[in-house]
Amino acid sequence: RKEVEQDPGPFNVPEGATVAFNCTYSNSASQSFFWYRQDCRKEPKLLMSVYSSGNEDGRFTAQLNRASQYISLLIRDSKLSDSATYLCVALGRDDKIIFGKGTRLHILP
Amino acid sequence: NAGVTQTPKFQVLKTGQSMTLQCAQDMNHNSMYWYRQDPGMGLRLIYYSASEGTTDKGEVPNGYNVSRLNKREFSLRLESAAPSQTSVYFCASGEPGQGSYNEQFFGPGTRLTVL
Repeated sequence: RKEVEQDPGPFNVPEGATVAFNCTYSNSASQSFFWYRQDCRKEPKLLMSVYSSGNEDGRFTAQLNRASQYISLLIRDSKLSDSATYLCVALGRDDKIIFGKGTRLHILP
Repeated sequence: NAGVTQTPKFQVLKTGQSMTLQCAQDMNHNSMYWYRQDPGMGLRLIYYSASEGTTDKGEVPNGYNVSRLNKREFSLRLESAAPSQTSVYFCASGEPGQGSYNEQFFGPGTRLTVL
């Protein structure tokens, strides 16, 4: 099993729709989880942290499921500007930071 | 407050040439990181420095060396560039926690092509 795994997509979603994607991780001891957003030819930027109790920031909701070892990102009322690649992050086996390869999201007008 | 800065933004090298990528942060972070990003491979950690004076290998350290010059600066050196090192290189900084870490802040990247 890969340490951090994401569906590469692309997810093609009409504007205004709700979209969700998951990320699985293999290190059950990981205490840190994040979602980053990366626009084309730009650097990754933190979107939100993922807490055990879940985390909501406007249209974005992040959840952690420890039993099944995955984190999720839900985007409601999607905007054209949400088109980007979303990277999930967890700690790997030796406590090294591991980025997933990213999920590409295209919001269609 | 510039955050994380990297130089150069673009570079073309010939096989066998050497170069140093520079990174600086003004957020007073203890930890700094170098990543490379290739299509289909995601971000891979090359080296990191948990604090001033320390450096450790990441997932793909071969062919690279690093120097943590001071708390602000962390450089990445390619001694003898190879075409396989063609990539986008990102520097990042952040604060580690106990068995965890806080968010990282990335520089704008250096696009390196090795011919």
